[in-house]
Amino acid sequence: EVQLVESGGGLVQPGGSLRLSCVASGFTFSSYWMHWVRQAPGKGLVWVSRINIDGSSTNYADSVKGRFTISRDNADKTLYLQMNSLRAEDTAVYYCARGAWQLGPFDHWGQGTLLTVSS
Amino acid sequence: EIVLTQSPGTLSLSPGERATLSCRASQSVRGSNLAWYQQKPDQAPRLLIYDASTRATGIPDRFSGSGSGTDFTLTISRLEPEDFAVYHCQQYSYSPRTFGGGTKVEIK
Repeated sequence: EVQLVESGGGLVQPGGSLRLSCVASGFTFSSYWMHWVRQAPGKGLVWVSRINIDGSSTNYADSVKGRFTISRDNADKTLYLQMNSLRAEDTAVYYCARGAWQLGPFDHWGQGTLLTVSS
Repeated sequence: EIVLTQSPGTLSLSPGERATLSCRASQSVRGSNLAWYQQKPDQAPRLLIYDASTRATGIPDRFSGSGSGTDFTLTISRLEPEDFAVYHCQQYSYSPRTFGGGTKVEIK
């Protein structure tokens, strides 16, 4: 069974940093592109970032470019999102999601981890 | 960036009724690379439909998708109690991948 389990969320002050993790199991992690998607309270889904199978290629939404860094450790089957210079508008549930194929939809999602940016 | 507009925002229906949800793109979605997701309260989204009309693994056949270009539709033929949820469309033709604002299907 495919499982994605996020962790690392919490309360952070504006300007602070945090790193989210997503541990994968039940599939060959190193064969799939991975994504982060966020959802602000009561709002819709917003794609944040993606990484290719070996981590050599990444892409970001304009709203987080230069502040967030996606990475992966295929040996540990873990996806990361390093978030710096956090703003109130980054407050959201962050989901990791598996790309069904290289440029495909997201066929499995984690349960999400909540980030709150507030003083 | 492709903007996806979902309508209606909320759909109030009774179990057994048919639900028709719309997703309109600001420009043509290449290859019908459009997906639909279902999200229940405090749960992660679940992939229902991809490539506009292909059901994902384990999705009941009361869910169907159609459309191409800029206009797409998700139809639930007969609503079951577990179908009351929020539905999101997503295009994956272009970067950034974008989602619609969602349609909530609620019990009337």
